[in-house]
Amino acid sequence: DTEVTQTPKHLVMGMTNKKSLKCEQHMGHRAMYWYKQKAKKPPELMFVYSYEKLSINESVPSRFSPECPNSSLLNLHLHALQPEDSALYLCASSQSLAGSPSTDTQYFGPGTRLTVL
Amino acid sequence: RKEVEQDPGPFNVPEGATVAFNCTYSNSASQSFFWYRQDCRKEPKLLMSVYSSGNEDGRFTAQLNRASQYISLLIRDSKLSDSATYLCVVKGPGSARQLTFGSGTQLTVLP
Repeated sequence: DTEVTQTPKHLVMGMTNKKSLKCEQHMGHRAMYWYKQKAKKPPELMFVYSYEKLSINESVPSRFSPECPNSSLLNLHLHALQPEDSALYLCASSQSLAGSPSTDTQYFGPGTRLTVL
Repeated sequence: RKEVEQDPGPFNVPEGATVAFNCTYSNSASQSFFWYRQDCRKEPKLLMSVYSSGNEDGRFTAQLNRASQYISLLIRDSKLSDSATYLCVVKGPGSARQLTFGSGTQLTVLP
């Protein structure tokens, strides 16, 4: 089973709202990721968690706040977003950050399509 | 120079055709290589990892040339369902390096 689930599938929010995106995997993976993808562009890495600790923050604005409550769950808290933050937000997981093809392979969830009005 | 470069296409080919995609990467110490496919408005899905000896999965063949820092994907006997964007993905050395995505090559297989 290589399933990563994400909720909600679609989200529309105003610039003053606070919302959260959720991601879950039950593959025993210890690395989890958040990506942002705009139309006709490749995914851009936002955050990496390894063994539930934040490992990489790609200079993401503080209006995006990640959280990893346990090894299966990853959240992305959103607050005071801008219209240009509208995009597909993808969660992914991999076995670890060990650096071999098997551990590096990332499996993506279906994404949350976010629209900021 | 971009870290991972792909021909963006689009490639429009008839059903049954053979099509090849190429990708170059800039970091000679890169460790892991993948092809993902992404359908419109969907998530990227792993198509295959790419190994130094080359590997095949049904109609798909991937090759890696470390000396030239070049990866290829060959699709034989194209099907309508192969229409998608194909992403070349490379992981740099060390645990701190993450996946770098090429910009993708769009393929449309025509009836």
